[in-house]
Amino acid sequence: EVQLVQSGVEVKKPGESLRISCQGSGYTFTDSWLSWLRQMPGKGLEWMGRIDPSDSYTTYSPSFKGHVTFSSDRSTNTVSLQWSSLKASDTAIYYCARHSRRPSPSGGTWFNWFDPWGQGTLVSVYS
Amino acid sequence: DIHLTQSPSSLSASVGDKVTITCRASQNVHTYLNWYQQKSGKAPKVLIYGASNLQSGVPSRFSGRGSGADFNLSISSLQPEDFAIYYCQQTHDLPLTFGDGTKVEI
Repeated sequence: EVQLVQSGVEVKKPGESLRISCQGSGYTFTDSWLSWLRQMPGKGLEWMGRIDPSDSYTTYSPSFKGHVTFSSDRSTNTVSLQWSSLKASDTAIYYCARHSRRPSPSGGTWFNWFDPWGQGTLVSVYS
Repeated sequence: DIHLTQSPSSLSASVGDKVTITCRASQNVHTYLNWYQQKSGKAPKVLIYGASNLQSGVPSRFSGRGSGADFNLSISSLQPEDFAIYYCQQTHDLPLTFGDGTKVEI
């Protein structure tokens, strides 16, 4: 079974640093990109960016670039999301999700979708 | 960024009803449009990818149609377990974006 398991709940103060993780199993870890997504309390889904675990190449959404860092460790099949200085506005549930894909009928391009998702990591930042 | 507008933002329906949710993109996304279901306290789950392709294991009462900028998700006969929030997502261009969601309530 393809599965993503995320690290547990975090309670932090503003200004503190944090790293949360997402471990993949049941598939070849380096074969698929992994994305990070944010869901603020009572709100919708926001794509933060993605990482290619095979070479740690990253693509950040402009909304998050410079505020977070993605990394990958092939030896443990784990990707991580890191903040150097948290803000109260970082309070949210963070999900990792694997990029699944198949060729589109038009040829030369791919359908991409997120499957599976991790169970989510709640990050709460308050003073 | 490609903006996705979902309508309605919420709807009330009964078990057995047919429900249709619309997603309109701010520009042509061809058929690079996915639909997800999110139940309370759970991670989202993909229902439809590539506008009309049913994900393996998803009940056939779910269907997706559309191309270009206009898409819809239909549930042919609403079941108790379908009460959730539904999101569309485009993968035509970066950054990947989602609609604001449609809450389906009893």
